Amino acid sequence: DIQMTQSPSTLSASVGDRVTITCRASQSISSWLAWYQQKPGKAPKLLIYKASSLESGVPSRFSGSGSGTEFTLTISSLQPDDFATYYCQQYNSYRWTFGQGTKVEIK
Amino acid sequence: QITLKESGPTLVKPTQTLTLTCTFSGFSLSTSGVGVGWIRQPPGKALEWLALIYWNDDKRYSPSLKSRLTITKDTSKNQVVLTMTNMDPVDTATYYCAHSLRQYPDYWGQGTLVTVSS
Repeated sequence: DIQMTQSPSTLSASVGDRVTITCRASQSISSWLAWYQQKPGKAPKLLIYKASSLESGVPSRFSGSGSGTEFTLTISSLQPDDFATYYCQQYNSYRWTFGQGTKVEIK
Repeated sequence: QITLKESGPTLVKPTQTLTLTCTFSGFSLSTSGVGVGWIRQPPGKALEWLALIYWNDDKRYSPSLKSRLTITKDTSKNQVVLTMTNMDPVDTATYYCAHSLRQYPDYWGQGTLVTVSS
């Protein structure tokens, strides 16, 4: 199984801050990585696919980078609507694994 | 417009078998490359992938739950069914189904909460 490890688990930040979340894979997954945003009581929303491709309709302040085993999600200027939990997900070899999530809280 | 909706029991007893149905619209599960997956999320915890089925009937399961899961599709009804045997209270979770075209889940259902309790 491919394991996904996110850090940090919780992040406290203020509106306007630049925020970076890291996701590490237990083995190389090339660029087969997606990022999701989830708010309480709602289904996850796709933000980024193929490590760095922005899903249609997602604000450009969200960006993704990385390949192989190390990936990052960056929010360039945190907005009030961005306080949520973020998950990375690998989709290598027709199986899925999610990270444990990173909760972005108001500082 | 792609939509998915999960349905099934909200309460099951320990040792029972859970059967969930994902009914979708806006795409066909006979189209090359299309898949539907199931993911669950215990209250306050992370997402966990369960199973995937593809347009060609290829099926994939989470290794840790493989012995308890079966996924099937009914293309004519636009439905995917997941069964999970021997339910336990730790299986209490919101269960989601999701569409996949390029190997990652892009459209999700609203989820259905299943509680396992006697």
